[in-house]
Amino acid sequence: DAGVIQSPRHEVTEMGQEVTLRCKPISGHDYLFWYRQTMMRGLELLIYFNNNVPIDDSGMPEDRFSAKMPNASFSTLKIQPSEPRDSAVYFCASSLGRRYGNTIYFGEGSWLTVV
Amino acid sequence: GDSVTQMEGPVTLSEEAFLTINCTYTATGYPSLFWYVQYPGEGLQLLLKATKADDKGSNKGFEATYRKETTSFHLEKGSVQVSDSAVYFCALSAVSGNQFYFGTGTSLTVIP
Repeated sequence: DAGVIQSPRHEVTEMGQEVTLRCKPISGHDYLFWYRQTMMRGLELLIYFNNNVPIDDSGMPEDRFSAKMPNASFSTLKIQPSEPRDSAVYFCASSLGRRYGNTIYFGEGSWLTVV
Repeated sequence: GDSVTQMEGPVTLSEEAFLTINCTYTATGYPSLFWYVQYPGEGLQLLLKATKADDKGSNKGFEATYRKETTSFHLEKGSVQVSDSAVYFCALSAVSGNQFYFGTGTSLTVIP
C-alpha cells in the first residue's frame, strides 16, 4: 500500500511568498494531521481533521497559516505570506482512529526554507 | 492533561552496547503507547506499540513493556548497531478522542 504522500519534498521560497504544501493520506484513513518540526520546538501538532472536518486547530501559529481538506484523499497547508521563521519540516500524517489500534502514519515531510 | 516525558539526549553508545531510553506518561485510563523512530532526512516510522497494560511491543530487536503501575514504556535493545542511529520518540494516544502526544525525542548515535 502507498503510504502518506507529501509534496513538495523540498521548497525554497522568498519571504512574503505564498507556500502550499500538499498531502494525500493513506486510503481509508479518517484522521489527518499536520505537524511542524524544528530544532528549537521539536514536533508540534498544527491541526487535525476527522472525516475532512477540522477538529482542533489550536496549534496553528497565526492567521498566516490555513489548512483545508476538500475530500478524503487530499489536504493542503498554506502559509501566506511566508516568513523566515516558518522554515521547518512539515509532516502530514493519517490514521484510522482509536477503534482500529490508532497507529499514526507519517509522510516523508516537506522541507521548507524561507529566505 | 495527557503528556509524555522521555529522557533527554543525545545518547552515544558503542556498537553492541545495551540501550535504554526512558519514557513515562501521564494519562487517564489506559492509553495506547508507541515508539517511533526518525532516521536522518526521513519521516517518523512506527517502531513498536502496546495497547494495554503488561503488553510488550517488539520490533527489530527493540522492546518496550507497558507498565501501568509505574506509568512507563521504556525502550530497550540488547545490542545496538550503527544503523540504529536515529531519533526516537515516545508517544501516547489518549483514551478519549484521537489525540496523540509525542515526547521531545531522544537522539541516539551508535559508534563503531
